[in-house]
Amino acid sequence: QKEVEQNSGPLSVPEGAIASLNCTYSDRGSQSFFWYRQYSGKSPELIMFIYSNGDKEDGRFTAQLNKASQYVSLLIRDSQPSDSATYLCAVVGVTGGGNKLTFGTGTQLKVEL
Amino acid sequence: ETGVTQTPRHLVMGMTNKKSLKCEQHLGHNAMYWYKQSAKKPLELMFVYNFKEQTENNSVPSRFSPECPNSSHLFLHLHTLQPEDSALYLCASSQRGRASSYNEQFFGPGTRLTVL
Repeated sequence: QKEVEQNSGPLSVPEGAIASLNCTYSDRGSQSFFWYRQYSGKSPELIMFIYSNGDKEDGRFTAQLNKASQYVSLLIRDSQPSDSATYLCAVVGVTGGGNKLTFGTGTQLKVEL
Repeated sequence: ETGVTQTPRHLVMGMTNKKSLKCEQHLGHNAMYWYKQSAKKPLELMFVYNFKEQTENNSVPSRFSPECPNSSHLFLHLHTLQPEDSALYLCASSQRGRASSYNEQFFGPGTRLTVL
């Protein structure tokens, strides 16, 4: 079983729609959860982090965490073509001294005009 | 220079060559990381340095040798690489505090390595 699982996509949504990206993780003791965005040929950049159950909103982005279900998601409202990128889910577990990030393979998002 | 910088941005080398990748962070962080990113695979953590001490070696072959002379600089020395080592090598840094549950890592632009 992969430690962090994401659907590789591509996920295609029309401009203005809500994009929903999902991630599951296997380490029940995981503490912190991150969403990175990576444009083609570029390095990952952090867009959201969450470590408490529930929702966290930042502009058009909402991260949702459910530790009981070991599930974290990212919602992008009013999707724009500039949101087209690969979204990486990353998790900090209980091992590794607290700063070891385990990444999923990423979900490719395409926002179409 | 700001953020995390990496040099060179592109590197082509033969299997018998020796080369080094350099990373520098200008953020005052105390932890630095090397990652490997191959097509269709998750980002793979290779090495972690906290306060210049190596705290993680993720079963990386000995043909990759890291060096962290101070908290701002990180090197990855390469020798006798294989074609399957061709990938994007990313450096990252973070500020590791006592509350270790939060760890925002900032990435450099990466070095695109091709091994012939």
